[in-house]
Amino acid sequence: DAGVIQSPRHEVTEMGQEVTLRCKPISGHDYLFWYRQTMMRGLELLIYFNNNVPIDDSGMPEDRFSAKMPNASFSTLKIQPSEPRDSAVYFCASSLGAANQPQHFGDGTRLSIL
Amino acid sequence: GENVEQHPSTLSVQEGDSAVIKCTYSDSASNYFPWYKQELGKRPQLIIDIRSNVGEKKDQRIAVTLNKTAKHFSLHITETQPEDSAVYFCAASAANTGFQKLVFGTGTRLLVSP
Repeated sequence: DAGVIQSPRHEVTEMGQEVTLRCKPISGHDYLFWYRQTMMRGLELLIYFNNNVPIDDSGMPEDRFSAKMPNASFSTLKIQPSEPRDSAVYFCASSLGAANQPQHFGDGTRLSIL
Repeated sequence: GENVEQHPSTLSVQEGDSAVIKCTYSDSASNYFPWYKQELGKRPQLIIDIRSNVGEKKDQRIAVTLNKTAKHFSLHITETQPEDSAVYFCAASAANTGFQKLVFGTGTRLLVSP
């Protein structure tokens, strides 16, 4: 049973470049969450989707960040232009059901902006 | 909105001892409380969860207790082993989002020494 799949696992790029992170949720899960994890700020929720529709993007730090979910099996988080302070581990998680359900995390993308 | 505080930030125990991690939450309407374990460089993994209609739940060496009146919940690990060393996160569902979002604590780094 495949879990949440994220790619790439690691990304190193220069400041100003566009970065695209990808996520495939667990089949059948109708909620998808994007988190960012840093030592300073811990685990922060950036945005979440329900049935491919963005529900709450209040955690997105600024307009340089955007997320899409074109279908039930794929989502992207894009940063353009990237900055060194965007360096973090980005996790995608999915869950099944309306509320109070466990979220299952992917292995994350470790992003380094030079 | 919901706020979750977690203590202690670090915990060192000897192998075989018990470990207890405590979290408090602010919104009395929250009704789902999962715990995640994150090993170094890995994804957060759900280890146990509890819903507000239950006061305690056990799974082998781990247990979670919930005190709704005091708005706090705790993770108990008995007979600790070196492989229990990790960062543990508590979380609470956010009622103001229809319980769709989880609000995470800041994490507890547990070190089990042989």
